[in-house]
Amino acid sequence: DGGITQSPKYLFRKEGQNVTLSCEQNLNHDAMYWYRQDPGQGLRLIYYSQIVNDFQKGDIAEGYSVSREKKESFPLTVTSAQKNPTAFYLCASTKGAGGRTGELFFGEGSRLTVL
Amino acid sequence: AQSVTQLDSQVPVFEEAPVELRCNYSSSVSVYLFWYVQYPNQGLQLLLKYLSGSTLVKGINGFEAEFNKSQTSFHLRKPSVHISDTAEYFCAVSRSGGGADGLTFGKGTHLIIQP
Repeated sequence: DGGITQSPKYLFRKEGQNVTLSCEQNLNHDAMYWYRQDPGQGLRLIYYSQIVNDFQKGDIAEGYSVSREKKESFPLTVTSAQKNPTAFYLCASTKGAGGRTGELFFGEGSRLTVL
Repeated sequence: AQSVTQLDSQVPVFEEAPVELRCNYSSSVSVYLFWYVQYPNQGLQLLLKYLSGSTLVKGINGFEAEFNKSQTSFHLRKPSVHISDTAEYFCAVSRSGGGADGLTFGKGTHLIIQP
C-alpha cells in the first residue's frame, strides 16, 4: 500500500544536539511538506519542496534545514539553533502539477522531546 | 495571505446529538477548502474537501460541510455523533490558488463526545 512513512515515531534529544527526522513516500508525489504542531497552535509550515533539489521556506523555517535529493525522501534536520524544538512534526505530500489542489496526505508524525 | 479561524477550541456534545464545527477563512484568491481529522498521536486524515461545484460536500464517517462564499465559511456538520468521533478537527485552505505551496490550517477544534 502506498503511503508516507515517518521515523522515528518518538525521539529524545539533549539541548545543543542536531536531530534528523526521516520522511519517505511511495505515492509518486512531486511535492512534500514539513509541518510543526504544538497544542492549541494548529499546524505551521516549516519547509516544502515541489521538485527534487529545490525547496522553499515556510512560515517558521528558522532553526530547521531540509534536503530533497530523491523524489521519495524529504528529511528534516532540527538544529541546535531552534529555540523550542519540542513538538509533534508531520510530513505530508501532494500530487504534482496536474492534480494540484493542495490536498495533503500525511504521515503518522514524529514526536520530538528535548530534555 | 490566506488565514483560517476555527471559532471553538473545544466542543462537547452528547452521543447521538448533532454537531457543528465552525470555520471561517480569508483569501485573496480562489480557494480550495478542507477538513481533516486527527486522532491522538496520529497524522491527519482527510474528511472532505471543497474544490468547486456543489456547495454541500459530503465526506467520510457521515460528515458534511457547506461552503458559503458570501460568509466566507466552511462549517462541518454531523447529524448524530458517535463516541468514536472524539478527535481533533482541522479546517484548512490552500495557500495559493493552485495549492502548490501547501495548506494553511486553523488551530483546531477538539470534539468531545459525552456518553
